[in-house]
Amino acid sequence: GAGVSQSPSNKVTEKGKDVELRCDPISGHTALYWYRQSLGQGLEFLIYFQGNSAPDKSGLPSDRFSAERTGGSVSTLTIQRTQQEDSAVYLCASSLAPDRLVAQYFGPGTRLLVL
Amino acid sequence: GNSVTQMEGPVTLSEEAFLTINCTYTATGYPSLFWYVQYPGEGLQLLLKATKADDKGSNKGFEATYRKETTSFHLEKGSVQVSDSAVYFCALSDPNSGNTPLVFGKGTRLSVIA
Repeated sequence: GAGVSQSPSNKVTEKGKDVELRCDPISGHTALYWYRQSLGQGLEFLIYFQGNSAPDKSGLPSDRFSAERTGGSVSTLTIQRTQQEDSAVYLCASSLAPDRLVAQYFGPGTRLLVL
Repeated sequence: GNSVTQMEGPVTLSEEAFLTINCTYTATGYPSLFWYVQYPGEGLQLLLKATKADDKGSNKGFEATYRKETTSFHLEKGSVQVSDSAVYFCALSDPNSGNTPLVFGKGTRLSVIA
């Protein structure tokens, strides 16, 4: 079946602009995660959604970052007033359940470049 | 807190050589352990996993054994191929973390030359 999809695949923006990144998880997966992959920092957890529960935002680096998940499916990560240090690959993952035994499946990522 | 430490790369091997990528972890509970692989230009793919002590995960000729006594999950392959060139990430999921985000190592880049 279809995997996790993300759009756009690449985004170039100017410092100070807002960007929206989209994630479409695997159908039926209730848990959705956003991670950021940047040079020198590895992979960092950003935010997590599970069903209708309040999201875990503990990994968001600043209040310029926010995310929502509509209808328990598609998620949008928004970065306001982008800064050059926001340049990274943003990865979305989904899993059948928020259970440590269950693997997470990743999308191809959105490569963000802030000029 | 939870953490994963991987051997630093890059690792360069000749085809058919034996591969070991070391991974050790720190966790408060009994985590599940994963190896993910990222091929050039592609997203992260699950390679293998182990969910309890002494479990061995295996896939595509790669193996890793969950060693609780040494808190390790080293990745091995007996004979690497050029197509194995990629970045390999060790990760854990801690049951004491309510929402189970993965904690990743920094990744190890493997280059296999013919």
